[in-house]
Amino acid sequence: EIVMTQSPATLSVSPGERATLSCRASESISGNLAWYHQKSGQAPRLLMYGASTRATGIPARFSGSGSGTDFTLTISSLQSEDFGVYYCQQYEDWPPFTFGPGTKVEIK
Amino acid sequence: QVQLQESGPGLVKPSQTLSLTCTVSGDSISRGSYYGNWIRQPAGKGLEWIGRIYSRGSTDYSPSLKSRVTMSVDTSQNQFSLKLTSVTAADTAVYYCATQQWPTRYFDLWGRGTLVTVSS
Repeated sequence: EIVMTQSPATLSVSPGERATLSCRASESISGNLAWYHQKSGQAPRLLMYGASTRATGIPARFSGSGSGTDFTLTISSLQSEDFGVYYCQQYEDWPPFTFGPGTKVEIK
Repeated sequence: QVQLQESGPGLVKPSQTLSLTCTVSGDSISRGSYYGNWIRQPAGKGLEWIGRIYSRGSTDYSPSLKSRVTMSVDTSQNQFSLKLTSVTAADTAVYYCATQQWPTRYFDLWGRGTLVTVSS
């Protein structure tokens, strides 16, 4: 099973600032990585797939990079609707599909 | 616009079977190439993938839950279903259904989730 880790666990950011989230896989997953955003009390929403392709309707302030084992999600200028928890998910090898433990982005 | 809606009992007794259904609206699962997935999230914790079923009926299950999980599809009702046997308090979670569009393997659409509590 591929284990996903994320850092930091919590990120305190002021609105308008840049946020950088990291995700690491226990073995190479090529570019088979997705990112999701979950607001409190809601279902996760797909943000990014293929490590760097934005899903439909996702604004350009979100960008993704990386391949192999190390990946980054960057939010260039944090908006109020961007706060919440971000999860990465690998789909290189299954079953199972596995998620990271999440990074909580909170208001500074 | 395709939407997913989970339904089922919110309370299940220990040792009994948890049964949930995911109804797809806005498209026919028999026409598309859908995988219906079940993913759960205990309160305050992360996401755990349970398994998936293809619209043609083939399945993949998480090895950690495989012995207790059965998934099925009813194309006439446009529904995916989950059965989890011998539940314990550790199975208490919000259960989400989510789709993958073959051949992609990320979860592009999610239901709102349903809370299932295991308690006597």
